[in-house]
Amino acid sequence: NAGVMQNPRHLVRRRGQEARLRCSPMKGHSHVYWYRQLPEEGLKFMVYLQKENIIDESGMPKERFSAEFPKEGPSILRIQQVVRGDSAAYFCASSRTQGQGLYGYTFGSGTRLTVV
Amino acid sequence: SQQGEEDPQALSIQEGENATMNCSYKTSINNLQWYRQNSGRGLVHLILIRSNEREKHSGRLRVTLDTSKKSSSLLITASRAADTASYFCATPPMGGSEKLVFGKGMKLTVNP
Repeated sequence: NAGVMQNPRHLVRRRGQEARLRCSPMKGHSHVYWYRQLPEEGLKFMVYLQKENIIDESGMPKERFSAEFPKEGPSILRIQQVVRGDSAAYFCASSRTQGQGLYGYTFGSGTRLTVV
Repeated sequence: SQQGEEDPQALSIQEGENATMNCSYKTSINNLQWYRQNSGRGLVHLILIRSNEREKHSGRLRVTLDTSKKSSSLLITASRAADTASYFCATPPMGGSEKLVFGKGMKLTVNP
């Protein structure tokens, strides 16, 4: 049973380009969580999605950032018109049910975005 | 907002020694979790302690929780070079179990 898969592992974008980060949850999991880690910082919650629904996006910047989790396929975190401050590691976790925070999360290996 | 704060921020020890990391938090919690992150990698869940527990063990790990002081400690006994990593404490806010609030982390270096 593969873990949470994220790709690409590393992504370099020029300022103004779009970045698309993908997260394939563990088999049977329909809940996905995205976190961002700035250099030398802990992870910060961004968004929580279930299949085809955004449940909590309280940690998402209001502009340029969007997330989706379609019925088929991976969850996508999309950053439009990237700026240098978007350079960070983006991590995804998944769970089978709600309330996974009560038990602990399994994270993917992350996507390291560098904006040049 | 920052919930957990690890202390010290960096620790360097020799193989075989014990390493103790502390975490303080601000609000009431349901549980407190510790994660490890090797350089350039994702986070690995180490251990979870619930608010009604005071101490928990898992292999070479020992976690304590003092809810009156809003603090937790992680002890790694008989450390190994492979324990070199950053360690984070994290909590789901009371009443909200879907997202974790992480501390900034503590960098542990175990010298062979």
